Amino acid sequence: QSALTQPRSVSGSPGQSVTISCTGTSSDVGGYDYVSWYQQHPGKAPKVMIFDVTRRPSGVPDRFSGSRSGNTASLTITGLHAEDEADYYCCSYAGSYTVVFGGGTKLTVL
Amino acid sequence: QLQIQESGPGLVEPSETLSLTCSVSGDSIDGSKFYWDWIRQPPGKGLEWIGGLHYSGTTSYNPSLKSRVTISVDTSKNQLALKLRSVRASDSALYYCVRRCCFFDSGSRPSWFDPWGQGTLVTVPS
Repeated sequence: QSALTQPRSVSGSPGQSVTISCTGTSSDVGGYDYVSWYQQHPGKAPKVMIFDVTRRPSGVPDRFSGSRSGNTASLTITGLHAEDEADYYCCSYAGSYTVVFGGGTKLTVL
Repeated sequence: QLQIQESGPGLVEPSETLSLTCSVSGDSIDGSKFYWDWIRQPPGKGLEWIGGLHYSGTTSYNPSLKSRVTISVDTSKNQLALKLRSVRASDSALYYCVRRCCFFDSGSRPSWFDPWGQGTLVTVPS
């Protein structure tokens, strides 16, 4: 069970869109419809932003969306706000009730 | 409103056993829809899933930690427990207790975490 692969960092200006990728294998990201994304601000606990690949919990702005193609899932944030600057982690079900996280991506809003 | 509170010693000596407790209020751990998990985060690093438990006793563990980890539940106290044996400096981390959602039907595979506790910091000196 290896960690999912995410870019170390991404950046964008306010109002722009950014996409964070999360690459796994057919045993996790590509094999189940159970990818979730978490936002973590410094000193805070992570917060779920997307679950089941594309679903948004209530209260999460619709600027956040999830998708998947093959073994790669993506989180897209449209109309960037300054408060979106945070670390983002993907997570996938990996069989037998196990899960695996990505290494995390630091989003900088320029 | 569900509240999760982790507790335990902040310092554990190398080779000893780390023992943490997660107290849950506002929900019952023996609700059949949820798993309850431990996740850790070393300072300045990413998240690592440790393992999880369903109140029925079903457990699942990270293969890389499985030989050293035990997760258990005390339903009378509504508490989750984590034991990590033979700790080393690399086990130093913020340890989170989380609820994992959901068993909607027989085909469901709970896989997303909400809510999270605030975490408890554990240091293992080198």
